[in-house]
Amino acid sequence: DAGVTQSPTHLIKTRGQQVTLRCSPKSGHDTVSWYQQALGQGPQFIFQYYEEEERQRGNFPDRFSGHQFPNYSSELNVNALLLGDSALYLCASSPRTGRIGVRETQYFGPGTRLLVL
Amino acid sequence: SQQGEEDPQALSIQEGENATMNCSYKTSINNLQWYRQNSGRGLVHLILIRSNEREKHSGRLRVTLDTSKKSSSLLITASRAADTASYFCATDDGNNRLAFGKGNQVVVIP
Repeated sequence: DAGVTQSPTHLIKTRGQQVTLRCSPKSGHDTVSWYQQALGQGPQFIFQYYEEEERQRGNFPDRFSGHQFPNYSSELNVNALLLGDSALYLCASSPRTGRIGVRETQYFGPGTRLLVL
Repeated sequence: SQQGEEDPQALSIQEGENATMNCSYKTSINNLQWYRQNSGRGLVHLILIRSNEREKHSGRLRVTLDTSKKSSSLLITASRAADTASYFCATDDGNNRLAFGKGNQVVVIP
């Protein structure tokens, strides 16, 4: 049973460029959340997708957008990259149905480390 | 914005000792979770405690929750070198979006 997978593992971009990060949720999970983790900080919630729509959004600008596909996988897009976008981007999945406790537990992928020069 | 705030920020202990970390938060919660992160990689879920629970155990882990003080503690008993990691508390207001603290770096010396 594969866990949450993310690609690529590392990425280097320059300011102003655009980047797309990918995530495949754990088998049986239909909800995907994205988090940004700056060095030395805790993860910050970017947004959450289920049923192919953005359902919740954290305090991030519109440069951050996403998509969820019918197979529940998801993409995170960041436009007009800034130096401050350098971070570890984490994807987490969870099931919308199931018993209490299972629904609230999020499974995280290994992350994509983005460096903006 | 950061919800939880862990203290102490860094902890260094000998193998076999117990490690205790605290976390405070500001708003109402549905549950509070603790995660572990090794070397800046993905987070591993450790334990979840609901707002109507006061204490929970899982193996060598013990979590307490005091909603009146808006605080939680994580105790790792009989620590091992493999417990060296960063530990984060995260609150869930019921919408399944986690608000993390800044984390607590624990180093267990063999």
